[in-house]
Amino acid sequence: NAGVTQTPKFRVLKTGQSMTLLCAQDMNHEYMYWYRQDPGMGLRLIHYSVGEGTTAKGEVPDGYNVSRLKKQNFLLGLESAAPSQTSVYFCASSRGQGVIGELFFGEGSRLTVL
Amino acid sequence: AQSVTQPDIHITVSEGASLELRCNYSYGATPYLFWYVQSPGQGLQLLLKYFSGDTLVQGIKGFEAEFKRSQSSFNLRKPSVHWSDAAEYFCAVGRSGGYNKLIFGAGTRLAVHP
Repeated sequence: NAGVTQTPKFRVLKTGQSMTLLCAQDMNHEYMYWYRQDPGMGLRLIHYSVGEGTTAKGEVPDGYNVSRLKKQNFLLGLESAAPSQTSVYFCASSRGQGVIGELFFGEGSRLTVL
Repeated sequence: AQSVTQPDIHITVSEGASLELRCNYSYGATPYLFWYVQSPGQGLQLLLKYFSGDTLVQGIKGFEAEFKRSQSSFNLRKPSVHWSDAAEYFCAVGRSGGYNKLIFGAGTRLAVHP
């Protein structure tokens, strides 16, 4: 069972470069999320989606864009990477409205911006 | 605004000893509370959750947590720690109608000595 798959798992960028992180889930979940994890700060929500074609801002959305063209995929884009975006990025998914609880996480994508 | 505080950044225990990880939350109504565990290089996995009812909840891997409304706490416990429990533990809070967006604490890193 694949669950939530993130690609790539590691990436090094130079300041100003762009990139896209891909998240794919095979559980037919309605909701998907992108979090970033930084030491001493836990996980902070960047953007989320409550269904195909919808996206919304989380706690720390600046410098990121997202798209959910297909229900199973949630893309996180960095248009002009900055060193402050060096982090570990986690994608997660969960079932939809009326179901509270478990988020299923990918294994993370470690991004370094030089 | 919701918030979660985990006062202990690092905890070290001996194998076989008991464990308690602290979590305090700030939320106006009855919160939905979660504990997640992150093993090195992995994504987060749900240990247990509290929505309502019995304030002592059981989770996987022998963990339990107790909700204390008067103290705004949701502490995680285990009677006897195993070396495989070494990981980082995150407390999180959510709410009804919140699209399962969770607010995470900064995490507590647990080390287990043989």
